[in-house]
Amino acid sequence: NAGVMQNPRHLVRRRGQEARLRCSPMKGHSHVYWYRQLPEEGLKFMVYLQKENIIDESGMPKERFSAEFPKEGPSILRIQQVVRGDSAAYFCASSTWGAGGDEQYFGPGTRLTVT
Amino acid sequence: AQKVTQAQTEISVVEKEDVTLDCVYETRDTTYYLFWYKQPPSGELVFLIRRNSFDEQNEISGRYSWNFQKSTSSFNFTITASQVVDSAVYFCALSEDNQAGTALIFGKGTTLSVSS
Repeated sequence: NAGVMQNPRHLVRRRGQEARLRCSPMKGHSHVYWYRQLPEEGLKFMVYLQKENIIDESGMPKERFSAEFPKEGPSILRIQQVVRGDSAAYFCASSTWGAGGDEQYFGPGTRLTVT
Repeated sequence: AQKVTQAQTEISVVEKEDVTLDCVYETRDTTYYLFWYKQPPSGELVFLIRRNSFDEQNEISGRYSWNFQKSTSSFNFTITASQVVDSAVYFCALSEDNQAGTALIFGKGTTLSVSS
């Protein structure tokens, strides 16, 4: 019974390149959340998706960041034209219901380094 | 506005000491949920506990215990007889009963170092 899978675990990009982070939720989960952990800070919510729908993107930067969760396949967090400030750990979580208090299971994270 | 405050940035203890990690939250909702997560040096996030706002009973799980007090908006976490393996960053988090989504609001974390 695999948990939440994220890949790659480590990603290095040069300034201006694109970063694609993938998240496969736990089996049976149709709700996906993305969080970002900047150095010396806690985790900050970015976006909440259900299959083929963005439900809440209130935490997403307005430019360069996008997310999707297609009918088939993993959820993708895409960062265009990366800058050094994008260097962070990006965590994906999934849940069964998406309702209040529903436990979110976290993946191992993707560590993005922008050089 | 929702907010979680973990005032202790770092705590250092010696093995077998008891240690309490503080968490204070702010919310206007009457229905909400509180969580603790552990982030060991390997980096993953490990779920420890979930509490809803209507259940103020304290909980004990092995060496871990949690004290939820609505009167002071606190949800403190105590490790009894700490061990080196408890060294990690501990996050307290809040979510509200929002049908539009249940993003977790995290505190900045407390780094616990347990030495032998």
